[in-house]
Amino acid sequence: DAKTTQPNSMESNEEEPVHLPCNHSTISGTDYIHWYRQLPSQGPEYVIHGLTSNVNNRMASLAIAEDRKSSTLILHRATLRDAAVYYCILNPTGNQFYFGTGTSLTVIP
Amino acid sequence: EPEVTQTPSHQVTQMGQEVILRCVPISNHLYFYWYRQILGQKVEFLVSFYNNEISEKSEIFDDQFSVERPDGSNFTLKIRSTKLEDSAMYFCASSPPGLKNTGELFFGEGSRLTVL
Repeated sequence: DAKTTQPNSMESNEEEPVHLPCNHSTISGTDYIHWYRQLPSQGPEYVIHGLTSNVNNRMASLAIAEDRKSSTLILHRATLRDAAVYYCILNPTGNQFYFGTGTSLTVIP
Repeated sequence: EPEVTQTPSHQVTQMGQEVILRCVPISNHLYFYWYRQILGQKVEFLVSFYNNEISEKSEIFDDQFSVERPDGSNFTLKIRSTKLEDSAMYFCASSPPGLKNTGELFFGEGSRLTVL
């Protein structure tokens, strides 16, 4: 499985932006970068994904480094509901997703 | 909004018993998956299913596990003879074709299995 590295935990104040980093130095040219999150006691939830260009959707933005060896998930205004474990996943062979340990985000009111 | 539904939400069973976990994927999706998460650990891939057959499976998915799509709507995971270490949250997921383009697996809320 393709390897990603994320900080174990991060904190953010409510209503402030959050930048969640991910390193994936061994990414291959065809790997998409996916972000999922898992709220407490729930199943994983899709956040965003991209290949080379930066991406925006209603939940977040994804900034991808030019060499694609790292990416950053940006939550523009953190809310208490954004407290979750965030997973950065490279598109593996087939349709499997390998979830690592992710980054546990704490949002402080 | 369409969603993946799973039943039961929680099942308690005795070691050695057979268990069937059920999932109703989103109706126009073609790929189906089972993942599991042991308490406090990572979400782990078990198996993917497409066109009425297993397309990929992990080392965890041994002969004790099987999957089936019996009636065109349900997708089931059977554990033939449960072990204590099978205690986990089991998540079903589905996706439309072209996962690399959509990027999105839709997960259910999970079925918690407790083996005593």
